[in-house]
Amino acid sequence: QITLKESGPTLVKPSQTLTLTCTFSGFSLSSSGVGVGWIRQPPGKALEWLGDIFWDDDKRYSPSLKSRVTITKDTSKDQVVLTMTNVDPVDTATYYCAHKTLLIGESFDYWGQGTLVTVSS
Amino acid sequence: QSALTQPPSASGSPGQSVTISCTGTSSDVGGFYYVSWYQQHPGKAPKLMIYEVNKRPSGVPDRFSGSKFGNTASLTVSGLQTEDEADYYCSSYSGSNIAVVFGGGTKLTVL
Repeated sequence: QITLKESGPTLVKPSQTLTLTCTFSGFSLSSSGVGVGWIRQPPGKALEWLGDIFWDDDKRYSPSLKSRVTITKDTSKDQVVLTMTNVDPVDTATYYCAHKTLLIGESFDYWGQGTLVTVSS
Repeated sequence: QSALTQPPSASGSPGQSVTISCTGTSSDVGGFYYVSWYQQHPGKAPKLMIYEVNKRPSGVPDRFSGSKFGNTASLTVSGLQTEDEADYYCSSYSGSNIAVVFGGGTKLTVL
């Protein structure tokens, strides 16, 4: 059974760095074709893809956030970390991590419950 | 503004069929068979309903079907049930940005 869970601060001040951890189980991020992505959703708004990391450490980022977002993995801990620098109130959103494999194209088949992050002074 | 265009709302009565469109460009929807659809109930995480244009993950009812013509993909829900009332999002791989792009979402109301 695949599960993912996001953790991190619920409140961050503007200009600070946000660090979120995705802890997963039921799969290995060292298995060929496997990836984990980050997606966010501002309150009442649409989903926005932030980036992916894959089993071979390949990474892809949203062009609009590429300068501020970094995704890393710790295979030994079954964790993926999202770092976002210089946050702004517009970054207030529920942040999700999700599992994907090349077997299902560019789809996310298992999602975490999400964590709401508020950016405010 | 989302990269893919969806109608903000759709509706139908129980038992009827409804189709939700998702329009992109030749660099995303039209250029790849990597269109997905997600269902999201209020306060819940999205759920994958369709992947690779028209494939259903295990456990998704066959009332849900997907298709694509040119730069527009569609999700059809047949035999509407009250539990189908939710927000639906399309997504696609974008070759121009080597990225995943989402639509703005469609709120489906079952009258």
